Amino acid sequence: GAGVSQTPSNKVTEKGKYVELRCDPISGHTALYWYRQSLGQGPEFLIYFQGTGAADDSGLPNDRFFAVRPEGSVSTLKIQRTERGDSAVYLCASSLGVGELFFGEGSRLTVL
Amino acid sequence: KQEVTQIPAALSVPEGENLVLNCSFTDSAIYNLQWFRQDPGKGLTSLLLIQSSQREQTSGRLNASLDKSSGRSTLYIAASQPGDSATYLCAVRGGSNYKLTFGKGTLLTVNP
Repeated sequence: GAGVSQTPSNKVTEKGKYVELRCDPISGHTALYWYRQSLGQGPEFLIYFQGTGAADDSGLPNDRFFAVRPEGSVSTLKIQRTERGDSAVYLCASSLGVGELFFGEGSRLTVL
Repeated sequence: KQEVTQIPAALSVPEGENLVLNCSFTDSAIYNLQWFRQDPGKGLTSLLLIQSSQREQTSGRLNASLDKSSGRSTLYIAASQPGDSATYLCAVRGGSNYKLTFGKGTLLTVNP
């Protein structure tokens, strides 16, 4: 595609529910990143994929968070048993190798 | 652990002024450095990418410099315009793990 696409753009859920956030990277980009951004803060690293495998998942806050990229393109970030503290904007980015990083518009998650 | 600091946190200038935004990082073993712009409620837009072997990059009214040994980068904006108002984020890509670490950003307001 022309740019990084993220869906949904907004998600409101109740505490304890399960949530999936989807990212479609730029076609041909091998690297895919997930970041989380809270109000007034810079993006916080969650996980980085090189191809299908997670090259670095050290930013995932706990085992309620999981991400997959089964075919080396689309990625899904999965959050189990959501908590109010999970509320943030979840940003996805892609790059060709270690080149310039391009971001999507983000998925705003609100946990009530 | 890489830490990125941006100074000032906020800056307000009259239209037409030239201005400098500062970024510092603690680990000089970086692969590259990228400057982004973020408008309220939006994703990040890439402005400039500087490889670790480069000293500066220019795009239009923007010029970014990199002094890797001292852990500093600056973003120079010439002849500022109200449309330049946004948050500017600096991010460094690690030399070994390739993940981007962000600063908290500088909120720029250019007054007409």
